[in-house]
Amino acid sequence: SYELTQPLSVSVALGQTARITCGGNNIGSKNVHWYQQKPGQAPVLVIYRDSNRPSGIPERFSGSNSGNTATLTISRAQAGDEADYYCQVWDSSSWVFGGGTKLTVL
Amino acid sequence: QVQLVQSGAEVKKPGASVKVSCKASGYTFTSYGISWVRQAPGQGLEWMGWISAYNGNTNYAQKLQGRVTMTTDTSTSTAYMELRSLRSDDTAVYYCAREGVGATRGTFDYWGQGTLVTVSS
Repeated sequence: SYELTQPLSVSVALGQTARITCGGNNIGSKNVHWYQQKPGQAPVLVIYRDSNRPSGIPERFSGSNSGNTATLTISRAQAGDEADYYCQVWDSSSWVFGGGTKLTVL
Repeated sequence: QVQLVQSGAEVKKPGASVKVSCKASGYTFTSYGISWVRQAPGQGLEWMGWISAYNGNTNYAQKLQGRVTMTTDTSTSTAYMELRSLRSDDTAVYYCAREGVGATRGTFDYWGQGTLVTVSS
């Protein structure tokens, strides 16, 4: 089965840029979606199809996908961005999630 | 506005079954699919399966084949997920999520609030 690899944790200073990676075999050929989940809440879609933002998601959130790595970038990080982030792809008739990355804003 | 409202928390004994409901509102229920995703305590997201609200077609995660059944009731715009032969490692928060269409196809664009299922003797 297809596997997605994310770092367990990423730290970023307030106002700086955070990058969260999602690794997978030839992931660049797939559509990657990203979700933000805050404690005790349901996930929220923040990026779809590699680099598109749903309405209501700040422009500070962006994404890219190439080769074996997809990346979620959060510019000008705010305290409210502290959360778990999950990547997701469709593979072999199944949805697959990465293991999740905890973003800490220092 | 789109809403998915799930049933309340459940406590079950090992070997029992649980059925969680997900009532949709604010959109045409039969135009979208519904997936179920679970999250064990302190763990990540696990996709369980999908059902078309249009025709009832299903697609279950291989790991849960034979133990899970997903259904819909179009008269009440409600989706259901039943999990049988419960084990302690089925303890998790269970979410329903709507699959997007068009540009957001393949994403889960709206989620229920989650239902905690605890399996304990």
